[in-house]
Amino acid sequence: DAKTTQPTSMDCAEGRAANLPCNHSTISGNEYVYWYRQIHSQGPQYIIHGLKNNETNEMASLIITEDRKSSTLILPHATLRDTAVYYCIVSSNYKLTFGKGTLLTVNP
Amino acid sequence: GAVVSQHPSWVICKSGTSVKIECRSLDFQATTMFWYRQFPKQSLMLMATSNEGSKATYEQGVEKDKFLINHASLTLSTLTVTSAHPEDSSFYICSARDRTPNEQFFGPGTRLTVL
Repeated sequence: DAKTTQPTSMDCAEGRAANLPCNHSTISGNEYVYWYRQIHSQGPQYIIHGLKNNETNEMASLIITEDRKSSTLILPHATLRDTAVYYCIVSSNYKLTFGKGTLLTVNP
Repeated sequence: GAVVSQHPSWVICKSGTSVKIECRSLDFQATTMFWYRQFPKQSLMLMATSNEGSKATYEQGVEKDKFLINHASLTLSTLTVTSAHPEDSSFYICSARDRTPNEQFFGPGTRLTVL
């Protein structure tokens, strides 16, 4: 599976949009982009996934560039409860390899 | 989203004993379940992939005789840590893939402490 690169940490003000970037320049055609998050001492929570097209659900939006080499997870109105480690994962076979992720801290 | 449960949520045991952790998919049938381990301040590491009715596939470096995995039904997988030692103390997390392609859901995790 292709590797991903994410910033180590980011800050966001409560109520503002949080935009989390992810680079996956070696992604292959059949690999999906998944986003999960993990709040301290809990299991990861599924957020969203996509292949080529942008996706939106009740939690977030996923923007994938046309060349698929990078993506951005958007939390439209961040709340304090969105403080977590966010993982961007690329996979084609359901096996998820977790990197270090981005620690998003939402500040009051 | 789909719900995956784990039991127990935490366990403390003596060195040399065995501990069984259950992972259940509550509202869907999971053909494949995964077991992860997470040490403090580290990311999740995949230990093994479990398919219902067949033997688990272990990742490199994971001892299959020490970490016994049973996936007897479409809603239950168990991980048994045999002859546990303090270095096995960790956060064990399972996940389950439902029949909808490419969606995988995680349990809340089990914190194992071996004294």
